[in-house]
This record gives sequence, structure tokens and C-alpha cells, in this order.
Amino acid sequence: LAKTTQPISMDSYEGQEVNITCSHNNIATNDYITWYQQFPSQGPRFIIQGYKTKVTNEVASLFIPADRKSSTLSLPRVSLSDTAVYYCLVGDMFSGGYNKLIFGAGTRLAVHP
Amino acid sequence: ETGVTQSPTHLIKTRGQQVTLRCSSQSGHNTVSWYQQALGQGPQFIFQYYREEENGRGNFPPRFSGLQFPNYSSELNVNALELDDSALYLCASSPSTGGEQYFGPGTRLTVT
Repeated sequence: LAKTTQPISMDSYEGQEVNITCSHNNIATNDYITWYQQFPSQGPRFIIQGYKTKVTNEVASLFIPADRKSSTLSLPRVSLSDTAVYYCLVGDMFSGGYNKLIFGAGTRLAVHP
Repeated sequence: ETGVTQSPTHLIKTRGQQVTLRCSSQSGHNTVSWYQQALGQGPQFIFQYYREEENGRGNFPPRFSGLQFPNYSSELNVNALELDDSALYLCASSPSTGGEQYFGPGTRLTVT
């Protein structure tokens, strides 16, 4: 499974756009890129998943360049409630016939008033 | 639709004891995965159960074991507890072995 590197922490202010970049130089052809969000004392929550180019849903966008060696999670107009840890996961989630999520240390995003 | 629930919320055990954690999967989900999350780290995959059988396992010793019941709820059992077993234990259910996983709130285990 591809190793990921993301910033340990980031700070932002309410109303700003936040971009969190994840590096995954050894991504394999079958690998997908998935982002999860986790609040303190809660389980992770799926945000978005993509394979290439751009994916957008109601909460975020995911930008993936052509070489797929990195990806950027974009959170538009963050609020205080977006303060959380964000995990970038890369892998063929279904290898071996089961879905195993491999989490790194994540990025701690702090949104300030 | 009821989400994933876990019990108990918190638990304190002594080194060498045994513990059982419980998880009720989301309605319609037949697959349950367990994760261990130490403080300040990301969750680590323990194992997955599908239709009452272990369907994959991470790098955890045999003293970590599990069960899945006909209603797809699940238990995680840990024997001979060690101090390093102190962590948040997360259960996630999914509609299939490859489906999106929905996490419960976790059980905070403290081993003294």
C-alpha cells in the first residue's frame, strides 16, 4: 500500500478556503484516494474519494493531478465545526477480498474565529 | 436508520485481565471491521468479519480475537491485557466486504 505524507497541522480562519495536500509518490494503478474526517472521541467519517482529475460533493472537492502522486482536499469556507483531524488514505481498498483502511497520522486542522 | 453503536463507552481494566467490547452494525450491513487508535495516532486495522467469519486480519497478536453473530453484531475480545492496549477501539460496518465503512463512536479502554 502506498505511503502517504501530509502536514501534521494547519491553521485557518472562519470563511476561508482550506487546502490540504497529501503526497503519495508510490501510488499504484489500482489505488484510490480517500479522505476521512475525525472529531475528538468520535469515529472517522468518510468525506470524499477519487481516482483522477476532480471530484466534488456537498462538503469538499478533491483534486488529483495527472500523475496521481499527490492529491488536494479542498474545504470551501470553513467554519469552527470543521476543526478536526483529516486523513488521506491511498490503496486498493479491496485487495485480499476485504476492505482494510490504512490510516496515517493525519492533519490536525484548527479553524479560528 | 440506526447507525453503528458500541458499548461500553469507557472501560478501565487491570493488566492481565480480559475484556470484551461490543458493536452493533448499521441496519443492512453484513460486514464489521475493528480498529485500534492510540492517542495521537490514526486508527490501525485489527480484523474484519463477514457473515460470521474472519475475513482479514492486521498485524495484531492472537490474543485479539472476535466474533460476529447472525444479526451481524460483533464482539472484540482481548486477553492478557497489556498497558499498550490502552486506546480507542473503533468498530465500522459496511454493506459488503468492499463497501464504504461507517464508524461507531468507539470504546475508550484504559489498562492500568
